[in-house]
Amino acid sequence: QVHLVQSGAEVKKPGASVKVSCKVYGSTLSESSMQWVRQAPGKGLEWMGGFDPEEGETIYAQKFQGRVTMTEDTATDTAYMELSSLRFEDTAVYYCATEWLGIVGATQSYYFDPWGQGTLVTVSS
Amino acid sequence: DIQMTQSPSSLSASVGDRVTITCRASQSISSYLNWYQQKPGKAPKLLIYSASSLQSGVPSRFSGSGSGTDFSLTIGSLQPEDFATYYCQQTYNTPRTFGPGTKVDFK
Repeated sequence: QVHLVQSGAEVKKPGASVKVSCKVYGSTLSESSMQWVRQAPGKGLEWMGGFDPEEGETIYAQKFQGRVTMTEDTATDTAYMELSSLRFEDTAVYYCATEWLGIVGATQSYYFDPWGQGTLVTVSS
Repeated sequence: DIQMTQSPSSLSASVGDRVTITCRASQSISSYLNWYQQKPGKAPKLLIYSASSLQSGVPSRFSGSGSGTDFSLTIGSLQPEDFATYYCQQTYNTPRTFGPGTKVDFK
């Protein structure tokens, strides 16, 4: 059974960068399409980017283009999400999740499962 | 980008009630629609994928339906552990977008 374990909470100053890790257990990173989602306090879920198996590359949400970098270390089965030029509004819980393609009869969908436990990033001066 | 809307944004219900949440996409997404449950302080949990397929281990009181632009999640008989926030998500294309969520709380 696949299990994702994320790094611990971080407190950063505005303008700094943060790098969150996500280690895969029960599978390998090369078999996974890792995605990153964040959730600001009291708000909904926001997709930041991830590996697109159809495109064969990592795709970033336009909102984060130029500020986010998602990388993978297949030797340790660990994925990383680095967000730079942090702002107060980047305070959120950051989640990793693996994306899979589910096919049932004539229907199909990509879905996120499982998710990491989340990493709280607080941006504070 | 495909916009996802959900209704209602919140609802109050009692144990044993039948609850239905709807989700609408701004364009056709075929069956590329998933439902997640999230409890406070926890990561989202997949309930339904491909609009109507129950994820392994999820109780059968949860069901999903729809295709194209209109979808629904139904909880057949609400249990105490079902009080949570529910999100729909489209994976028809990128960016993967989520609905704003529906909070189910105790009446």
